[in-house]
Amino acid sequence: QVHLVESGGGVVQPGGSLRLSCAASGFTFSSFGMYWVRQAPGKGLEWVAFIRYDGFNKYYADSVKGRFTVSRDNSKNTLYLQMNSLRAEDTAVFYCAKDRGAQLGSFDYWGQGTLVTVSS
Amino acid sequence: EIVLTQSPGTLSLSPGERATLSCRASQSVSSYLAWYQQKPGQAPRLLIYDSSNRATGIPARFSGSGSGTDFTLTISSLEPEDFAVYYCQQRSNWPPLTFGGGTKVEIK
Repeated sequence: QVHLVESGGGVVQPGGSLRLSCAASGFTFSSFGMYWVRQAPGKGLEWVAFIRYDGFNKYYADSVKGRFTVSRDNSKNTLYLQMNSLRAEDTAVFYCAKDRGAQLGSFDYWGQGTLVTVSS
Repeated sequence: EIVLTQSPGTLSLSPGERATLSCRASQSVSSYLAWYQQKPGQAPRLLIYDSSNRATGIPARFSGSGSGTDFTLTISSLEPEDFAVYYCQQRSNWPPLTFGGGTKVEIK
């Protein structure tokens, strides 16, 4: 079955950097688009980034554009999110999610999330 | 950016009752609307995609309808495990992908 496991979260100071990883299994990773979605404590869901199955299309929310970079290694079945210039408002649980297809904009499986806390 | 507005914010119902949740889009999203369920401490789970299609393994008591700007998620008879927060999400015109603010279904 599909399994997504995020890692790399933690506490970081404002202005710092962090790299999240999402290990995927149970499906042909190289055939599906992948996403990062975050949820601030007690708040709703916010889409953060998308990367197409082949890594050639990448989209970002305006709130993270220029600071976050999504990437993938299809040989390792792993999705990444490099987060730079972190701000307090980036504090959230970050989920990776799988697209139902190549670039449908629809999430059919989610990981359990990793908590990122930006605080001095 | 397409804004999704969910109502009500909280729905207080008893097990066995029917739940009707609403999601309204700021402009037409055709049928490109999904519903997700989220329980405390858990990741969201896809229930319905493209307005009315149940995702794999989702019970038949969950149904979705609507097109354009007005959508409904109906739970025909609430089970104890259905008390959760529900989010709608559009994929009509992206980026960005957007979510509604959520409806909490709580036990009355």
